Amino acid sequence: GESVGLHLPTLSVQEGDNSIINCAYSNSASDYFIWYKQESGKGPQFIIDIRSNMDKRQGQRVTVLLNKTVKHLSLQIAATQPGDSAVYFCAENINTGTASKLTFGTGTRLQVML
Amino acid sequence: DGGITQSPKYLFRKEGQNVTLSCEQNLNHDAMYWYRQDPGQGLRLIYYSQIVNDFQKGDIAEGYSVSREKKESFPLTVTSAQKNPTAFYLCASSTNRVSGYTFGSGTRLTVV
Repeated sequence: GESVGLHLPTLSVQEGDNSIINCAYSNSASDYFIWYKQESGKGPQFIIDIRSNMDKRQGQRVTVLLNKTVKHLSLQIAATQPGDSAVYFCAENINTGTASKLTFGTGTRLQVML
Repeated sequence: DGGITQSPKYLFRKEGQNVTLSCEQNLNHDAMYWYRQDPGQGLRLIYYSQIVNDFQKGDIAEGYSVSREKKESFPLTVTSAQKNPTAFYLCASSTNRVSGYTFGSGTRLTVV
């Protein structure tokens, strides 16, 4: 597979536990945030997004929390499964009035232990 | 099914050669993007295009070139001027409003 993220921060969790992946973003003008999941050798897949007028959004087994005061974003995965093992990236969009121009974080590797 | 296709999946380049990576989408997206991914680093933007026949340099455009002659296609050429081209290259597309990107499955380029 791809050698993506050899030196990334790693979060190890037991199968069935909840996972929390954190991300600090850089620009207080960012108005839209996304979490992506990237498995080895594949392109990133969209997980969940949130706009800056919200502080929480829930999906299926995932929740994103946004704290604009400290410019912090987190992804919570409930009942973590082996298939959740991947690298997770946050991305922020700075409102330019036109199309998205996302800036990506460096990523966190999630390892699920059986 | 709508999607974004990158080819080839693996590509080997000799020193001094130009190579072109293909990216095609049938999502009717206006905007397309090329990113480079290296181990331990996030995605870095090479070039992007918001409309046909127009494109802009990203953060690491040196040694790369692109064209956008058709809405569906955004090929990336890695020229001999790119001194360290070995990397994983990702193409993405989006609508022309604030939204997430749809990514291709990537091309792994190796210099031999």
